Amino acid sequence: AQSVTQLGSHVSVSEGALVLLRCNYSSSVPPYLFWYVQYPNQGLQLLLKYTSAATLVKGINGFEAEFKKSETSFHLTKPSAHMSDAAEYFCAVSFSSGNTPLVFGKGTRLSVIA
Amino acid sequence: DAGVIQSPRHEVTEMGQEVTLRCKPISGHDYLFWYRQTMMRGLELLIYFNNNVPIDDSGMPEDRFSAKMPNASFSTLKIQPSEPRDSAVYFCASSLQPNSPLHFGNGTRLTVT
Repeated sequence: AQSVTQLGSHVSVSEGALVLLRCNYSSSVPPYLFWYVQYPNQGLQLLLKYTSAATLVKGINGFEAEFKKSETSFHLTKPSAHMSDAAEYFCAVSFSSGNTPLVFGKGTRLSVIA
Repeated sequence: DAGVIQSPRHEVTEMGQEVTLRCKPISGHDYLFWYRQTMMRGLELLIYFNNNVPIDDSGMPEDRFSAKMPNASFSTLKIQPSEPRDSAVYFCASSLQPNSPLHFGNGTRLTVT
């Protein structure tokens, strides 16, 4: 079955430290890949998306993600964490040519410690 | 555009009562999705529509749940009768295509006592 796995339901980093949130997917077909962020009491917002152009994708708020086909991964990174980055982050994948809805991972809650 | 609009933001009801959640998608978006979010199960797709037609309702948990989209600018998700285990945050989202970026509403937090 097609799936999206986010390693670590909770990640805690110090302010100014590197943020690394992991996402792996199961697919033999190059997918569309997304990262979303959810702040408390809000809906999900798009951070960035990969659609078979450059493998390194830059998003909002200084986040970026790298598509690695050989590792079936799409990890999210940010060089220096801010307190405002504390939120839940979801990886999402479209596994087909575009005719099926996104499959979401279970999310990773990011805490930033001052 | 005002984005996806959901109402109410909060709903508290007693077990056995009917609950209706409402959603107004972004104008021009042909796809509308209903999701449920809980701590235990994460984000679950319940049903989605294309051009007001339900395409896949396999995520609807049971017959107590029903969804309609009478026109391009309005959808409802109804639970009748409601049960405590239905307590969750329900999100509506819309998009141009199924794999296009989704635009989410702020959700309806449902509490069934």
